[in-house]
Amino acid sequence: GAVVSQHPSWVICKSGTSVKIECRSLDFQATTMFWYRQFPKQSLMLMATSNEGSKATYEQGVEKDKFLINHASLTLSTLTVTSAHPEDSSFYICSVVRGQVSTDTQYFGPGTRLTVL
Amino acid sequence: SQQGEEDPQALSIQEGENATMNCSYKTSINNLQWYRQNSGRGLVHLILIRSNEREKHSGRLRVTLDTSKKSSSLLITASRAADTASYFCATDAIDTGNQFYFGTGTSLTVIP
Repeated sequence: GAVVSQHPSWVICKSGTSVKIECRSLDFQATTMFWYRQFPKQSLMLMATSNEGSKATYEQGVEKDKFLINHASLTLSTLTVTSAHPEDSSFYICSVVRGQVSTDTQYFGPGTRLTVL
Repeated sequence: SQQGEEDPQALSIQEGENATMNCSYKTSINNLQWYRQNSGRGLVHLILIRSNEREKHSGRLRVTLDTSKKSSSLLITASRAADTASYFCATDAIDTGNQFYFGTGTSLTVIP
């Protein structure tokens, strides 16, 4: 069965609104979750590393005030796209790893498709 | 950046043929993983190969890793139409800790 869930799977919103995406680890507690963004026909780009109980680590070029990440518990991380604009339309995917990236499989959520009108 | 490159970008073959995709990366790694993504869907983990391994098999999949050349290949034997998807390699990077980077992907089309 699924190891990681995301909600919603698809969201359409008006420009200027904020959208929250949830990522849940279903099988194990995850101290670290990752958020990726994927534009059509492109690869996944790591946006940020979400650490439970501390601030997220953002990749270069990703605006932390625009993409708010909250890792509230060991099984839940949320990504909020604030004041969304059409250029934020993308496929957002989260992932969890049971142990360390260097030694363990990373499990991905099914993704959330965001369309900003 | 560590992001890898995959070759070819697109590959079209007949059902039953073998498909080979290559991935190159830039810095030292602990492991390399291959994923499949059907159009508009999430990722499916295929296989993980560690830096001290040279070859790994899983069903019709064969993965090789050459750390001296910083490259990996994914071979799908006896391809099926259902194998049509995008395939990505992904690596961690030893000097950046717990982060994970994807290659550019290969779009595979298997013609029935």
